[in-house]
Amino acid sequence: AAGVIQSPRHLIKEKRETATLKCYPIPRHDTVYWYQQGPGQDPQFLISFYEKMQSDKGSIPDRFSAQQFSDYHSELNMSSLELGDSALYFCASSLAGGRAAGELFFGEGSRLTVL
Amino acid sequence: DAKTTQPNSMESNEEEPVHLPCNHSTISGTDYIHWYRQLPSQGPEYVIHGLTSNVNNRMASLAIAEDRKSSTLILHRATLRDAAVYYCILSWETSGSRLTFGEGTQLTVNP
Repeated sequence: AAGVIQSPRHLIKEKRETATLKCYPIPRHDTVYWYQQGPGQDPQFLISFYEKMQSDKGSIPDRFSAQQFSDYHSELNMSSLELGDSALYFCASSLAGGRAAGELFFGEGSRLTVL
Repeated sequence: DAKTTQPNSMESNEEEPVHLPCNHSTISGTDYIHWYRQLPSQGPEYVIHGLTSNVNNRMASLAIAEDRKSSTLILHRATLRDAAVYYCILSWETSGSRLTFGEGTQLTVNP
């Protein structure tokens, strides 16, 4: 079965550079979530989109922005990168229907290293 | 978000049942109880979720207390592959709303 696809899987950037992460949800899933997981930490919610509209916003820095496109894929744009942005970034997708619909499907993550 | 409390770590032996507890005394009537797990270097994986009644699926069972202030994830026969961090998460019924990962339970399975 198709899963959530994230690209790139690994990314190395210098401080103050920009980075873009892409997420392709499972076909027919209309909701996308972004999470950040630092070394030894639990996943932290950044932002989510439902039907191409922002549906919830967490601890996403102002330097970051995201959007969901007409084909439901999503991109997370990160500017003025800092050392502390080094982390695993997970994307997840789900079907509409709220929590009763159940599960989020997570991708394998994109590992960003800022030097 | 309503808070959940889990033990930092638990240990089990292979092929034995495992009961992972979660306390959520401030749960609201519309909060769903979700369990996810995360294996090393992988994304979180859905295990099970429920609202009021006990739930079973191919991976696990979820036992929810009558007052909903606690729940227990039951792995009927632990395998080495079940070694992971298990997260108990509460969320409300809204499309696109977040799941907040707290400090889960690190499960170690001994051969």
